[in-house]
Amino acid sequence: QSALTQPPSASGSPGQSVTISCTGSTSDVGGHDYVSWYQQHPGKAPKLMIYEVNKRPSGVPDRFSGSKSGNTASLTVSGLQAEDEADYYCSSYADSNNLLFGGGTKLAVL
Amino acid sequence: QVQLQESGPGLVRPSETLSLTCTVSDFSISSGYYWGWIRQPPGKGLEWIGSIYYSGFTYYSSSLKGRVTLSVDTSKNQFFLKLSPVTAADAAVYYCARSAYSGSYSFYKYWGQGTLVTVSS
Repeated sequence: QSALTQPPSASGSPGQSVTISCTGSTSDVGGHDYVSWYQQHPGKAPKLMIYEVNKRPSGVPDRFSGSKSGNTASLTVSGLQAEDEADYYCSSYADSNNLLFGGGTKLAVL
Repeated sequence: QVQLQESGPGLVRPSETLSLTCTVSDFSISSGYYWGWIRQPPGKGLEWIGSIYYSGFTYYSSSLKGRVTLSVDTSKNQFFLKLSPVTAADAAVYYCARSAYSGSYSFYKYWGQGTLVTVSS
């Protein structure tokens, strides 16, 4: 199965909102609500930001939100802050008990 | 706070076996949850390798199935990854992680710091 498709880069100014997309198929994103998003700073382990499409683990600011429409999931970061600059990866459960990741999106805060 | 630490050889020869251990602290593996392995080639994205439940039940990536074996030792509070045979494409930072909740292996809240494995003769 192929990886999920994410734009390689995204950017926004402090205080703005930015949305990152994650496109899959009916076998993964579109067929299951097990979509998650991870934030990864250079040299660090990924951090879970969103799970089950739109749920936030404790400690994750409510500036981070998730949604899904059809085969595409989205992560929105509102009120951009400098520390939000990082790589973001989506993930989805897929048919046949598989777990797929997207290729990653580098978010720049200008 | 759950803590995870990967350990194992940083260099593996092509065609041989990559073996890694994840030691879990401040949480008992026997308490449940899924325990997973995820890897990241240098400069590239994340790839799920597989997950194991504390009871030993496993799920493997379809792209790596046949080369991967996960196991768990609850008495030592450790779980393990074996990948064989390896090629240069298996060079990556390998992370171990614990699922966010016990009912699904699809999300990982606690991660180790990662260990770099190089494949070279």
